[in-house]
Amino acid sequence: AQSVSQHNHHVILSEAASLELGCNYSYGGTVNLFWYVQYPGQHLQLLLKYFSGDPLVKGIKGFEAEFIKSKFSFNLRKPSVQWSDTAEYFCAVNAHSFGNEKLTFGTGTRLTIIP
Amino acid sequence: DTGVSQNPRHKITKRGQNVTFRCDPISEHNRLYWYRQTLGQGPEFLTYFQNEAQLEKSRLLSDRFSAERPKGSFSTLEIQRTEQGDSAMYLCASSLWDGNQPQHFGDGTRLSIL
Repeated sequence: AQSVSQHNHHVILSEAASLELGCNYSYGGTVNLFWYVQYPGQHLQLLLKYFSGDPLVKGIKGFEAEFIKSKFSFNLRKPSVQWSDTAEYFCAVNAHSFGNEKLTFGTGTRLTIIP
Repeated sequence: DTGVSQNPRHKITKRGQNVTFRCDPISEHNRLYWYRQTLGQGPEFLTYFQNEAQLEKSRLLSDRFSAERPKGSFSTLEIQRTEQGDSAMYLCASSLWDGNQPQHFGDGTRLSIL
């Protein structure tokens, strides 16, 4: 069975600070990895995804994530956060296969940016 | 907006009543998923469909829960004899069959059991 751990439950940063949110997964096979973001009152939106190839993936709004296979990690980074990045961030994983398999999510990290 | 649509947005009901939620996926998407999210947790998988066929059900889906996707388009999730523990946000997502495509989520239906 798959599992995802997000160690930071609530992160508070000032604007322009750098961000790194941790994500570790457990699964015996090849995986696809995702970061979703949920802004207040909105639906989950895809921030970025990794299927294969370059382990450093870039997403929307200046976010990036690096897949480190040996560490089973997929940490999310942004060099300089903005107040509008205040949201809940979810790391997710599914099995890498021909079909689009169910997602397993972490518990989420609430990010609060102080102006 | 041509995203995933869920109705109603919020449902309040008394314990023991039956409730039904509807999900309209993005039109060309042949896979449809239901997830449940409780406070402080990430979404948890419930079930998913490939067209009208229900391919997998989580053990979280007790026999009080049933989901259908009769014509391979919209889907319904019914909960019979609701319990306090059913209070949650019920999320629907859709995607193309292709494993290299992301899942797109709706706004969810928040269920509150009195």
